Amino acid sequence: EIVLTQSPGTLSLSPGERATLSCRASQSVSSSYLAWYQQKPGQAPRLLIYGASSRATGIPDRFSGSGSGTDFTLTISRLEPEDFAVYYCQQYGSSQTFGQGTKVEIK
Amino acid sequence: EVQLVESGGGLIQPGGSLRLSCAASGFTVSSNYMSWVRQAPGKGLEWVSVIYTGGSTNNADSVKGRFTISRDNSKNTLYLQMNSLRAEDTAVYFCARDGGSSWYNYFDYWGQGTLVTVSS
Repeated sequence: EIVLTQSPGTLSLSPGERATLSCRASQSVSSSYLAWYQQKPGQAPRLLIYGASSRATGIPDRFSGSGSGTDFTLTISRLEPEDFAVYYCQQYGSSQTFGQGTKVEIK
Repeated sequence: EVQLVESGGGLIQPGGSLRLSCAASGFTVSSNYMSWVRQAPGKGLEWVSVIYTGGSTNNADSVKGRFTISRDNSKNTLYLQMNSLRAEDTAVYFCARDGGSSWYNYFDYWGQGTLVTVSS
């Protein structure tokens, strides 16, 4: 099973700042089958990025994904108030597993 | 507009059974791969089961032999039959539409979730 490790566990930032979230896989993720989700309290996850770098429908361009192999990054270029949430990565190249999440909180 | 609405959760004793439903609108369940994903209280996400367009299914090792995913095409509804429930099955259960057509996929639409609590 591919284990995904997200870092940091918590990111404390102010609105307008740049957020950089990391997702590291224990083995190479085939075909960059890596997705990112945003989840707010009491809500379902929302797909942001799939295929490591493709934005899902309706996702603002301040969200971007990059990486390949074992190292992937989600970048939020300028944090908006509604972006403070928990973010999960998921690999779907070999079965499917999720990372443990990174919480982006207001500083 | 794509919508997924789960129901059927509740409090159940260990060893008991429960069936979850997920009513879909805005698309056809049988034309898409559909999954169940769960989230234990305060924890991360765990994929549980998938049903493919041809009707074949696949399950996570943690639920193999206990959970069965199915669908009713006439009702455009997805189901999860959960038997031999354990305390560690306590979670919010989300139904989700697979976004691709590979053996495993990302999830592009999610329901709001239904809480299953396994406790005596």
